[in-house]
Amino acid sequence: EAQVTQNPRYLITVTGKKLTVTCSQNMNHEYMSWYRQDPGLGLRQIYYSMNVEVTDKGDVPEGYKVSRKEKRNFPLILESPSPNQTSLYFCASSSLPGESYEQYFGPGTRLTVT
Amino acid sequence: QKEVEQDPGPLSVPEGAIVSLNCTYSNSAFQYFMWYRQYSRKGPELLMYTYSSGNKEDGRFTAQVDKSSKYISLFIRDSQPSDSATYLCAIAPGGYNKLIFGAGTRLAVHP
Repeated sequence: EAQVTQNPRYLITVTGKKLTVTCSQNMNHEYMSWYRQDPGLGLRQIYYSMNVEVTDKGDVPEGYKVSRKEKRNFPLILESPSPNQTSLYFCASSSLPGESYEQYFGPGTRLTVT
Repeated sequence: QKEVEQDPGPLSVPEGAIVSLNCTYSNSAFQYFMWYRQYSRKGPELLMYTYSSGNKEDGRFTAQVDKSSKYISLFIRDSQPSDSATYLCAIAPGGYNKLIFGAGTRLAVHP
């Protein structure tokens, strides 16, 4: 089954404790992206990657890091989480432009930082 | 001004009603228009996709784009309780994969 998986699905942590949210896709997509979803603000892009070792900032990258060492994996790293990073996070993947603009989303990770 | 504006609702309608969901956008360079549906505790999934102005129909769903007014709509005919979800419009400038999302409209269809 074609899918994007994220782990963990729920996470409660404390300010300053480094954490990683994993994302993996099995569709051989070149493009992967992280979004955060907040009430009234919709989905906002954090970082994206066009291919292995190629990453770039989205609209709200502050406080986040990513890496793309393998095509299928795109982890999101919070080096020092703060309460304003409490949010619902989605990983997404898609083919490159010209093939399809459809993005496939993972199930989401609900993060609470206290 | 936000690049994409969408009324967050919530919108509550009886089963069988026609539902109209709308977004406006600010940049005339936007070329690709999508509607995603998001059920509670799930990720968004693509519902409709259109490139040009005009209508596109898929079963009970019709997507409408008016580029001259920078206005996009999604119509749901004969709405069902299973249509209860959040509907997000998404717009792509074209040429690359970045999507700009509206805030989403929460729809409840009650029996």
